[in-house]
Formats: sequence, C-alpha cells, structure tokens
Amino acid sequence: EPEVTQTPSHQVTQMGQEVILRCVPISNHLYFYWYRQILGQKVEFLVSFYNNEISEKSEIFDDQFSVERPDGSNFTLKIRSTKLEDSAMYFCASTLNGVHEQFFGPGTRLTVL
Amino acid sequence: GDSVTQMEGPVTLSEEAFLTINCTYTATGYPSLFWYVQYPGEGLQLLLKATKADDKGSNKGFEATYRKETTSFHLEKGSVQVSDSAVYFCALQGTGNQFYFGTGTSLTVIP
Repeated sequence: EPEVTQTPSHQVTQMGQEVILRCVPISNHLYFYWYRQILGQKVEFLVSFYNNEISEKSEIFDDQFSVERPDGSNFTLKIRSTKLEDSAMYFCASTLNGVHEQFFGPGTRLTVL
Repeated sequence: GDSVTQMEGPVTLSEEAFLTINCTYTATGYPSLFWYVQYPGEGLQLLLKATKADDKGSNKGFEATYRKETTSFHLEKGSVQVSDSAVYFCALQGTGNQFYFGTGTSLTVIP
C-alpha cells in the first residue's frame, strides 16, 4: 500500500541553524501539507501546497519557513534559523484531490537545543 | 474559527471494556469529521470519517456519529483489544481543506 515517508525520523539542531525536513508524498497525489505538533498540544496546520505554489498558510508559517518541491517526488520544509519553540513533531501529508482524507507520514521529531 | 476539543487522556482500559473518547467541534458551515489513529512509531492513519450530519463512520469495530445538534463526533468501541493501544485524534476538515486536530487521546489497553 502506498504511503507517505519522512526523513529523518529525529533531527537535533542548535538554535539558529537551518534545518530541512523531507517528505515523499504518495506518488499520484497533487496536494501536500505540513503540520506540526508541539509536545502535549494540538496538531497544527502550517501550509498547503499545490501546483508548485503555496495555496494556504497559517500564522505560524512566517518568513522563517519555506516549502519546496524540488523534484517530482520530494516535498521539503525548511526552517531558516531555528528557535527553541520550533521543537515539535512535524507531519507531512498528501491527498489526491484536496477534498478527501489526507494521508500522513510518520513524522519528524525536531529538537532545537 | 474552526476548532476541535478532544477528551484529555491518557485512558487506560482492560481488554473487552467499552471505549468512549469525546470530541466536540466548532466550525462554520458543514465540515467533514475524522478520527485518525497513531500507533507507536507510525504516522496518522485514517480510522473513520463522516461527511454530513447523522452520518455514522465505522471501521475495525470503532464507530462515531456526526451530531450536528450537539456538535459532537464521539468515538466508541464496544470491546477494546490490546492492539487498539494508540493515540486517537479527532479532526475536522474546514474551508480550504486544511485539517484542525484535537490534542490526541492516548489509549492503553491492558490484558
């Protein structure tokens, strides 16, 4: 069964460093998403991406964040200068047509020291 | 704005016990409602969904009914198994198709 994959499973970084989280969505899906979950809090929407551009983003997704689909398979989330409060689990998701349920990856746990 | 409020955990039950995890929502319009489950080390998996009022979603013995009058979508299972131990997330799909999640409820089923 096709699935969304994410790498790495755990990333530890120093405050101020750049990180790139990687996702491989399901191959025929067209809509891509990033969510995050700070420990003990809700899963929060960050951004949605379709047709090589951002279609929607939340207040969390400020200038420190960017997304890219550099090739036909990967979907990346970059944080330019990490802060302590960026420590969270980051989930990638994809969907075929933007209407039905989203398929989620296993997440990347980001720890900023 | 749209939001989901989910029963706090953790929840610990004995095998074959009855499970209820409460979920209520706030939304404009008529959102679709979902329950996702996350097993240890894995991603969020769709458990069941309902797209309109009075719809009942069901899967693997779990059920939830979309109640517009009480803005609720409580998850139930009549007899839980050890293999049901996981974190359960209630979610709604709002305008723009983004998902709004609850905080998740951790369930542990003991033999």
